Amino acid sequence: AQTVTQSQPEMSVQEAETVTLSCTYDTSESDYYLFWYKQPPSRQMILVIRQEAYKQQNATENRFSVNFQKAAKSFSLKISDSQLGDAAMYFCAYRSPSDSNYQLIWGAGTKLIIKP
Amino acid sequence: NAGVMQNPRHLVRRRGQEARLRCSPMKGHSHVYWYRQLPEEGLKFMVYLQKENIIDESGMPKERFSAEFPKEGPSILRIQQVVRGDSAAYFCASSTGFLSYNEQFFGPGTRLTVL
Repeated sequence: AQTVTQSQPEMSVQEAETVTLSCTYDTSESDYYLFWYKQPPSRQMILVIRQEAYKQQNATENRFSVNFQKAAKSFSLKISDSQLGDAAMYFCAYRSPSDSNYQLIWGAGTKLIIKP
Repeated sequence: NAGVMQNPRHLVRRRGQEARLRCSPMKGHSHVYWYRQLPEEGLKFMVYLQKENIIDESGMPKERFSAEFPKEGPSILRIQQVVRGDSAAYFCASSTGFLSYNEQFFGPGTRLTVL
């Protein structure tokens, strides 16, 4: 069974600086999807970025980018130029490529604190 | 295009009562997923439904929990005879299809508190 581990319960960063959130996963599948979701205090789950495992190029969305290391099964999220609005829980999630496996497998989350 | 709607946002029930959580998927979405988030944890899959059909309920407790997605109206997650351990945030997600590349869009969740 697949598992997702986020080893940092909490991280803090100074506003305008860069922070990296770590995520590792365990799977025997060769192809899959990885996601980072943001959950602000409103609790709405917002997709931040998505990576297909068959793509070697790391996904990027504006200030958010990932460092995808397939061999190491690592999927970290880098947030550049941190802003106060980035404060939230961040969850890493995995999805199997199998169309019959519908569920997202989630890590426990990392609480990101932005210091003004 | 309105997003996934869930109501109520907060629900308080006493032990033994029933809880009904509603989810209206995004327009054009016919696939609904329910997840539960316990405090300090990530989400856990409960059930996947298409219109009038339960496709996968492997994550849902066998007793007291049920889900439906009727032809008309929202999807309903029902918890009978609630206990304190049911206190959690319940999230609904919807998608246009079940394929692995179909993104799941999440609602704001319902926070259930059992007294």
